[in-house]
Amino acid sequence: EDQVTQSPEALRLQEGESSSLNCSYTVSGLRGLFWYRQDPGKGPEFLFTLYSAGEEKEKERLKATLTKKESFLHITAPKPEDSATYLCAVGGSGSRLTFGEGTQLTVNP
Amino acid sequence: DADVTQTPRNRITKTGKRIMLECSQTKGHDRMYWYRQDPGLGLRLIYYSFDVKDINKGEISDGYSVSRQAQAKFSLSLESAIPNQTALYFCATSGITWGASGSEFTDTQYFGPGTRLTVL
Repeated sequence: EDQVTQSPEALRLQEGESSSLNCSYTVSGLRGLFWYRQDPGKGPEFLFTLYSAGEEKEKERLKATLTKKESFLHITAPKPEDSATYLCAVGGSGSRLTFGEGTQLTVNP
Repeated sequence: DADVTQTPRNRITKTGKRIMLECSQTKGHDRMYWYRQDPGLGLRLIYYSFDVKDINKGEISDGYSVSRQAQAKFSLSLESAIPNQTALYFCATSGITWGASGSEFTDTQYFGPGTRLTVL
């Protein structure tokens, strides 16, 4: 059974204070690791897809990295508008996604 | 216009009522999915469909049914709603991504805005 564990559950940062979110996973045959951003009451918004260990992708203040056991979402100099819940998911057999419970990020001005 | 739309956006109903949630997409994807989201439980897959004639149960299909009316439309029904079906419901769509060696990778899923369902 595919499993995804995200940590921490919640993270509070000051504006400009860089940090990282963790996503640990177990899957029989990784077919993709996905990061989404979700604002309260809204649908998840796609951020990144990573397919193989060593792969990295960047978008503005966000950078996602992937190893064989975990992925990190690095946030550099965050702004209050980066406050959201960040979801990690893995694609396994049948191209189905298994989601973690998310990390709720709050960035204070 | 949004690529994935869901109707209604909010619904309050009573126990025992039949409810239908609708999803439409303009992304041209073959694959569509229904999830529910509950606090502390994350997103869980209810049903998924890889084309009009292919419908599969997810991890929590009991109490739900689906209909794939066309490539672009996928509906979720609660035949007899109960209070523990109160949740946020999301529809998603995806295409197919192939690797260089011909193996299939999981394609990115794109989500709709959600339906907030309350069963009293």
